[in-house]
Amino acid sequence: DAGITQSPRHKVTETGTPVTLRCHQTENHRYMYWYRQDPGHGLRLIHYSYGVKDTDKGEVSDGYSVSRSKTEDFLLTLESATSSQTSVYFCAIRGGLELFFGEGSRLTVL
Amino acid sequence: DAKTTQPNSMESNEEEPVHLPCNHSTISGTDYIHWYRQLPSQGPEYVIHGLTSNVNNRMASLAIAEDRKSSTLILHRATLRDAAVYYCILRPDNAGNMLTFGGGTRLMVKP
Repeated sequence: DAGITQSPRHKVTETGTPVTLRCHQTENHRYMYWYRQDPGHGLRLIHYSYGVKDTDKGEVSDGYSVSRSKTEDFLLTLESATSSQTSVYFCAIRGGLELFFGEGSRLTVL
Repeated sequence: DAKTTQPNSMESNEEEPVHLPCNHSTISGTDYIHWYRQLPSQGPEYVIHGLTSNVNNRMASLAIAEDRKSSTLILHRATLRDAAVYYCILRPDNAGNMLTFGGGTRLMVKP
């Protein structure tokens, strides 16, 4: 077990509302990632972090922001959710050469 | 960015070996080949990686072509639990953060 948990695991919200997804690790790893997975697109990187307060954009970062105020937590925020952000979101941590993924957070934006 | 091409789906019988191919004809000299798999309703999990030489671990073997333009993930005895989507990914310098997951190969295992 890689010691990574995501919350909430399921969320239904309405267009225009803010949403925050949390990724928590107990492994003290430096690198953390947020991906989204949609049918026909595979997994796409949204943002990643390489340390406390150090973050960078991935390939689909528009509409998302992230924060990392402590090593163990990496937050993904949708300031104003849209239906196109309905997806399954995966957090990952990097341990050596491997990425360890959480179980995913299913977000539905109505 | 160098990309990979995999068959959309493959079928195997339980307890038989499975060879999952991946083409990466534009691979660069510093790209490592990584394989992940994703079981139903779970996040992806690391399987194996390599650069030039064939690699073995407890989960699988990775055979890399001499010109590195293709590779094959080998599951020696497929079990029902191996039914998953398998992703072949190129990772620059083995430390790149922009891992690109393509569509992968959906492996179905028949009892």
